[in-house]
Amino acid sequence: DVKVTQSSRYLVKRTGEKVFLECVQDMDHENMFWYRQDPGLGLRLIYFSYDVKMKEKGDIPEGYSVSREKKERFSLILESASTNQTSMYLCASRPHRESTEAFFGQGTRLTVV
Amino acid sequence: AQSVAQPEDQVNVAEGNPLTVKCTYSVSGNPYLFWYVQYPNRGLQFLLKYITGDNLVKGSYGFEAEFNKSQTSFHLKKPSALVSDSALYFCAVRDGDTGGFKTIFGAGTRLFVKA
Repeated sequence: DVKVTQSSRYLVKRTGEKVFLECVQDMDHENMFWYRQDPGLGLRLIYFSYDVKMKEKGDIPEGYSVSREKKERFSLILESASTNQTSMYLCASRPHRESTEAFFGQGTRLTVV
Repeated sequence: AQSVAQPEDQVNVAEGNPLTVKCTYSVSGNPYLFWYVQYPNRGLQFLLKYITGDNLVKGSYGFEAEFNKSQTSFHLKKPSALVSDSALYFCAVRDGDTGGFKTIFGAGTRLFVKA
């Protein structure tokens, strides 16, 4: 079974802090994604990476950056956390571009106070 | 541009009754269509997909979905609902022709199954 693991289930951070959300997959997948999930808005794509050291902006990249130094790990960085970044963050991976469905981590619920 | 609409925020059904969760989509090329389920405080789990072939696709936990090209719909169905089916369901679409990376998700429909 594919396993996508997010480092934290719950996080509480203060406004202005730099926040790191970590995601690791164990199936040598090329593609990795970060989404945020908000009620009534579904999942919105923040950033994705189609291979190591590659990254592309999604639909809502403002206030975020990412890092993918190793194939198995994709980090989401909130440079200066704000209260409007309080959300559920979901990481996903997919074997390669031609693959169809994605595999999701369990999610990190981030609260910025 | 791709888009997905799930017109119902919530669907209520009695256990043992059939259920339908609706989804319509818009995509310029051939659609890749997906349903995912999310249980409380969990990530999304893949249920089923339509890529090509038969319009009726079967997936996990007894769910199925029917692809209707003329109505641009991909409704999720189950003949007999279980209380354990109560969860949040997401429809998603990807443009199969462009081979793009982006999958667009609907806003989600919460399913409540009453015993």
